[in-house]
Amino acid sequence: DAGITQSPRHKVTETGTPVTLRCHQTENHRYMYWYRQDPGHGLRLIHYSYGVKDTDKGEVSDGYSVSRSKTEDFLLTLESATSSQTSVYFCAISEIQGNGELFFGEGSRLTVL
Amino acid sequence: QQQVKQSPQSLIVQKGGISIINCAYENTAFDYFPWYQQFPGKGPALLIAIRPDVSEKKEGRFTISFNKSAKQFSLHIMDSQPGDSATYFCAATLSGSARQLTFGSGTQLTVLP
Repeated sequence: DAGITQSPRHKVTETGTPVTLRCHQTENHRYMYWYRQDPGHGLRLIHYSYGVKDTDKGEVSDGYSVSRSKTEDFLLTLESATSSQTSVYFCAISEIQGNGELFFGEGSRLTVL
Repeated sequence: QQQVKQSPQSLIVQKGGISIINCAYENTAFDYFPWYQQFPGKGPALLIAIRPDVSEKKEGRFTISFNKSAKQFSLHIMDSQPGDSATYFCAATLSGSARQLTFGSGTQLTVLP
């Protein structure tokens, strides 16, 4: 299995609080991604990174920010969590740009009350 | 805008039967079409993929059929087994794009023993 660790794996928080999810990889892959998974919507891209300090928005980026200060770490921050951000969040990594092969972490389940 | 439409949302098949999941895409620039398999509590994992220059690709019991003119592709699971019970996602990407994959909404497959 690809060396991807997401933390925390489970979190319950209240509306309006900040939340940070961490993705750590040991594969030294250049590309990293954050997806959210919701019933009926599949996996939707939030943000992605194509190098240290290089990030771009995905299709559902509103309310989220990311940072990548080191190759191995990609952080997803919800500045002020809302109930609509209750979801399962997956980090993924890729070695080659646009080859369609992503390696996913095991997910972080976030509940916003 | 959902660029990859997947059906059915759920599928129940008897052991030994054939499971068929269909996807349709809109963006004719897509040139790589993978399928991902996800077991409960795990992240998705690449199962099989196809490029539009071939009409069919087979790996063991799993086959992708591709119809470029109709902009459709499908996954066939022959001799379905209870261990195949999982959620399946079709996806599409543009080779060389750092943004990577656009996913379908997923199909929850249950194979009855």
